[in-house]
Amino acid sequence: GAGVSQSPSNKVTEKGKDVELRCDPISGHTALYWYRQSLGQGLEFLIYFQGNSAPDKSGLPSDRFSAERTGGSVSTLTIQRTQQEDSAVYLCASSSQGGTIYFGEGSWLTVV
Amino acid sequence: AQSVTQLGSHVSVSEGALVLLRCNYSSSVPPYLFWYVQYPNQGLQLLLKYTTGATLVKGINGFEAEFKKSETSFHLTKPSAHMSDAAEYFCAVSDGNQAGTALIFGKGTTLSVSS
Repeated sequence: GAGVSQSPSNKVTEKGKDVELRCDPISGHTALYWYRQSLGQGLEFLIYFQGNSAPDKSGLPSDRFSAERTGGSVSTLTIQRTQQEDSAVYLCASSSQGGTIYFGEGSWLTVV
Repeated sequence: AQSVTQLGSHVSVSEGALVLLRCNYSSSVPPYLFWYVQYPNQGLQLLLKYTTGATLVKGINGFEAEFKKSETSFHLTKPSAHMSDAAEYFCAVSDGNQAGTALIFGKGTTLSVSS
């Protein structure tokens, strides 16, 4: 597609429920990144994919968070048993090898 | 490990005044450096980047930044602020030896422009 596409754009969920956030990167981009943006916390790196493998998972905050990427394209970030502190904007980005990193508009998650 | 410090979480200027947003980085490897802008309720947009070569980098919307290795700085400037420049600005660093590695961001600076 023309840009990085994320869905849903907004999600309100009850504490304890699982959520899935989807990212469709720019066509042909091999690298895909997930970040979390919280008030006062800036942009927090979560995980990075090169193709379907994740060489860097260092930013995932707990074992409730997981991500996968299939076919070298779409990625899904899953948060299990959501907590209120998970409320944030989840940003996805993609790039070609060594190229500029382009961001999507983000998925706004609110846990109530 | 790499890190970025943005001095000043909030900067206010008058329209037409100089914009200076400060960024210092820490990196044990040659850094790639970036400035991104985020307008309200939007994603991040790349303003400019430094990888190798010329240390003064020009970006979109009249912004520029200078890589100063001796000062470990990459400050963002614009000679004359416009109202439309009001946004949040993020400085970021990545590993220059490994293309495609993740960006590490600073906490951001909110720029306000008054008429």
